Amino acid sequence: RKEVEQDPGPFNVPEGATVAFNCTYSNSASQSFFWYRQDCRKEPKLLMSVYSSGNEDGRFTAQLNRASQYISLLIRDSKLSDSATYLCVVSSGYSSASKIIFGSGTRLSIRP
Amino acid sequence: DAGVTQSPTHLIKTRGQQVTLRCSPISGHKSVSWYQQVLGQGPQFIFQYYEKEERGRGNFPDRFSARQFPNYSSELNVNALLLGDSALYLCASSFVVVELSYEQYFGPGTRLTVT
Repeated sequence: RKEVEQDPGPFNVPEGATVAFNCTYSNSASQSFFWYRQDCRKEPKLLMSVYSSGNEDGRFTAQLNRASQYISLLIRDSKLSDSATYLCVVSSGYSSASKIIFGSGTRLSIRP
Repeated sequence: DAGVTQSPTHLIKTRGQQVTLRCSPISGHKSVSWYQQVLGQGPQFIFQYYEKEERGRGNFPDRFSARQFPNYSSELNVNALLLGDSALYLCASSFVVVELSYEQYFGPGTRLTVT
């Protein structure tokens, strides 16, 4: 089992739709969680951190469920510019045991 | 402010050669991490450095090594290159180690091709 798993997609949804991605992680000691987006042949860019209480940034909402060990990303009123690959990131450990794990990404394509 | 910079942007090497990749973090950031990304996969963690000390290491062979300098810039070295080392190498900087929930910011990467 992979340490961080994402549905690879692709998700193909119409503009204006709401779309949600989940990401599961296996290490219960994981401490920090993030969502990044990556455009084709570009570097990943931080979308948002994921906090225990959940957080929202405009059309984007991130949730953390420690009991079930998953994080989610909800995109409302999707735009054409939201087309990208969305990567979840889980980090655990500290000092010499630091581990930062990226999922393989979920591809999202928004159609007009 | 300048973002994370990496050099070179592209590199072609042959099997068995050695390569050095360079990264300058965002001003004020003290932590640098290195990742390898092959097509269709997420970035794979190689190393993290904070205040010039190694703070994390991924599952990569000893052919991979890195260091961080007093100005917080970093180098990644790969010896005895294999075809499978062909990938995009990403550097990310953060103010402190990621576990303290400070976000990472990525450079544009170095695309390494091994022939």
